[in-house]
Amino acid sequence: DTEVTQTPKHLVMGMTNKKSLKCEQHMGHRAMYWYKQKAKKPPELMFVYSYEKLSINESVPSRFSPECPNSSLLNLHLHALQPEDSALYLCASSEVPWWGREANQPQHFGDGTRLSIL
Amino acid sequence: GENVGLHLPTLSVQEGDNSIINCAYSNSASDYFIWYKQESGKGPQFIIDIRSNMDKRQGQRVTVLLNKTVKHLSLQIAATQPGDSAVYFCAEKWSGSARQLTFGSGTQLTVLP
Repeated sequence: DTEVTQTPKHLVMGMTNKKSLKCEQHMGHRAMYWYKQKAKKPPELMFVYSYEKLSINESVPSRFSPECPNSSLLNLHLHALQPEDSALYLCASSEVPWWGREANQPQHFGDGTRLSIL
Repeated sequence: GENVGLHLPTLSVQEGDNSIINCAYSNSASDYFIWYKQESGKGPQFIIDIRSNMDKRQGQRVTVLLNKTVKHLSLQIAATQPGDSAVYFCAEKWSGSARQLTFGSGTQLTVLP
């Protein structure tokens, strides 16, 4: 079992709906990440939070809105999504931000939320 | 069984044989490399990592080899089991850059009974 927990596991929503994806880790990690993964493709980075602050936004459309309420939680708010946004959304965490000098440590992933947009 | 790089995204091996999954990475300045295993319906699972100052690292039934001269990374799985069937991703971290993990395109490993 993964130590990064994501809910819900599956989500079906219409293009006008508003929903949120949740991620939680209790490993004391200070960096958290959102990735998008399409079928048979590698994960693509969306957002990075470092010490609860948004550090990197990989030019993600504004219909995706991340939030980090505290060091253990990461949310991804969804609004007015498009059918092409259907994918597996993965959360990950690491002890320290990825780009730090002593940051050669792995990211640990949750099992993702399978999102389908109707 | 062995694949010969990203041109062959699938690899089939007999149960009990050794598997070799190859990865050609892109940046000679990369200083850290990870192998992930992703089973169907699950997230990537960390298998093993290696720093650029090493050539080889061993784990339980797995060995990672790093050849910086030709920018090549391989994952060797000993005595492959049905539970090893999954997609395997290599990932590199670019030293001195704000960018994150860069994933390879993945290799589908299928273990035949």
